[in-house]
Amino acid sequence: DAGVIQSPRHEVTEMGQEVTLRCKPISGHDYLFWYRQTMMRGLELLIYFNNNVPIDDSGMPEDRFSAKMPNASFSTLKIQPSEPRDSAVYFCASSLGGGRTANTEAFFGQGTRLTVV
Amino acid sequence: AQSVTQLGSHVSVSEGALVLLRCNYSSSVPPYLFWYVQYPNQGLQLLLKYTTGATLVKGINGFEAEFKKSETSFHLTKPSAHMSDAAEYFCAVSYTGTASKLTFGTGTRLQVTL
Repeated sequence: DAGVIQSPRHEVTEMGQEVTLRCKPISGHDYLFWYRQTMMRGLELLIYFNNNVPIDDSGMPEDRFSAKMPNASFSTLKIQPSEPRDSAVYFCASSLGGGRTANTEAFFGQGTRLTVV
Repeated sequence: AQSVTQLGSHVSVSEGALVLLRCNYSSSVPPYLFWYVQYPNQGLQLLLKYTTGATLVKGINGFEAEFKKSETSFHLTKPSAHMSDAAEYFCAVSYTGTASKLTFGTGTRLQVTL
């Protein structure tokens, strides 16, 4: 398997524009996570899905952020409208069967570096 | 609520020296503990994890960590640092019922000098 695949790797956009980040989890994994990494706040969990259903979105900073998982092999994180403070590295991760034991490894993609100017 | 504290945002060691990166956790229930490594412009890669059983856990690249419940610690060590170990290291915690929902520490950047 190629691992978790994120696109694009880099995104530069102007304030106010819509940004869509994409993620393809590892085949067969039933959990998908979106994290944001900034210097100020470190790594934060934004939202996670189980079997394509959003389970916990309490980390989503505000209504400008939305995430979807239309099928088991694809997820998007959308920011509309984008603001300079959204500049960060966004990571997608997937794991298998963590529901009962929570001891399974999360595999991370290489991230999308978003710059909003 | 659970949290993770990593002491020292930057650690510098000489090549061949002992590496010690500190991690303390706070959890009201038995935790699962992880160490991840992040190389520049890369995602996070699992080094090792503690779930149950043996408290001394061995991971990849010669790293190991020991779970000490009495000290609520999970420090990462490597006997002899190599230049290729230079990276950022993150300690993380999860617990049963949270589906690998990881809470990360703030990270420690390891520098290895000649």
